[in-house]
Amino acid sequence: QQQVKQSPQSLIVQKGGISIINCAYENTAFDYFPWYQQFPGKGPALLIAIRPDVSEKKEGRFTISFNKSAKQFSLHIMDSQPGDSATYFCAASNLRSGNTGKLIFGQGTTLQVKP
Amino acid sequence: EAGVAQSPRYKIIEKRQSVAFWCNPISGHATLYWYQQILGQGPKLLIQFQNNGVVDDSQLPKDRFSAERLKGVDSTLKIQPAKLEDSAVYLCASSFRDRVTEAFFGQGTRLTVV
Repeated sequence: QQQVKQSPQSLIVQKGGISIINCAYENTAFDYFPWYQQFPGKGPALLIAIRPDVSEKKEGRFTISFNKSAKQFSLHIMDSQPGDSATYFCAASNLRSGNTGKLIFGQGTTLQVKP
Repeated sequence: EAGVAQSPRYKIIEKRQSVAFWCNPISGHATLYWYQQILGQGPKLLIQFQNNGVVDDSQLPKDRFSAERLKGVDSTLKIQPAKLEDSAVYLCASSFRDRVTEAFFGQGTRLTVV
């Protein structure tokens, strides 16, 4: 019940296209859903995050869509650029009082944006 | 602002040997995390410190892994003895005590056990 399942494992998109990565969770206690971006040889970096009280959050070309009833959330990268080529991880956490806020990560999606 | 510093960047050891990793968090960050990232998987939390106290070590293999954070600043993670399946990148992250959602990761230490 602590798992976060992420798909696809890898994704190839043409420059200017839309990249879509999906995640699903089981634990309804999760109340914080971030996405991390990781370049080779670097640690993950927070990209964008959403709380379950909203269905969508947009920051520049990056959008999180959240479906509470389906227990799914997704990352959309609009106008994908070669510089977006990286590994993306979804994660989930329970931030309620008394919890440590431990992040449970998905398996990761390797995105390649072709010029 | 300096980021999370980790050393060494790479380490190759034989199985049954011991190894230690070091982490210096961002100044002022009371919370420190050690994650294990096996190739092709997402990071998994091994241990979380709040200052020098352990908050969560539920996924730390305590028969071989140990970690400490003396004086609530730097931290070391040790593996003794190492197994082949310990080959992974070990990531350190830190955050302010009340901003666990804003954790910053170091570059990690890539461990290869042969």
